[in-house]
Amino acid sequence: DSGVTQTPKHLITATGQRVTLRCSPRSGDLSVYWYQQSLDQGLQFLIQYYNGEERAKGNILERFSAQQFPDLHSELNLSSLELGDSALYFCASSGGGGSFYGYTFGSGTRLTVV
Amino acid sequence: AQSVTQLGSHVSVSEGALVLLRCNYSSSVPPYLFWYVQYPNQGLQLLLKYTTGATLVKGINGFEAEFKKSETSFHLTKPSAHMSDAAEYFCAVMNYGGSQGNLIFGKGTKLSVKP
Repeated sequence: DSGVTQTPKHLITATGQRVTLRCSPRSGDLSVYWYQQSLDQGLQFLIQYYNGEERAKGNILERFSAQQFPDLHSELNLSSLELGDSALYFCASSGGGGSFYGYTFGSGTRLTVV
Repeated sequence: AQSVTQLGSHVSVSEGALVLLRCNYSSSVPPYLFWYVQYPNQGLQLLLKYTTGATLVKGINGFEAEFKKSETSFHLTKPSAHMSDAAEYFCAVMNYGGSQGNLIFGKGTKLSVKP
């Protein structure tokens, strides 16, 4: 157990739907990162939050949004889902404001859009 | 801007043989470098990291990596492969801000270990 908890582990939904992925960071970590992993694109950085505020943004689609709550858990919202959104979505956390010591990853949410 | 390139998307070795996974980086500043491993259906786990100091870094499960500035490389090695080493390995470099996030990952190298 890495200490980063992601729920749900698996999600199957239809095109056009909206889903919410949840992440609880490791105790004491203030930064949360979201990544998308697909066979063709590899690991793509989506977005980072630090202590409730957006810190960095990557290749995140406009249909996707995220937030980090006061208790530091984070949610990634994916809407108007398309078949191409099927992927593994990882959350990672790190201490302080950066990734000096590397990230701790959760076990991911596997999203299948049918 | 920082980037990493992993040479070889698939590497196959026999059990007991040397494991060598290649990673080259590009960085405009002294890099912080990482290797992660991903076992099937799991998240990424930190194997080892280089920040400053000793250029030979030892990690978990018998892996080590050497930072070579002159070659801009950070190759991962293990003297003797074990079946349990079969996984995908990712090299990463710390990015200082920007849209790629704090860690930029390579495309990964899948390691197969033959009995």
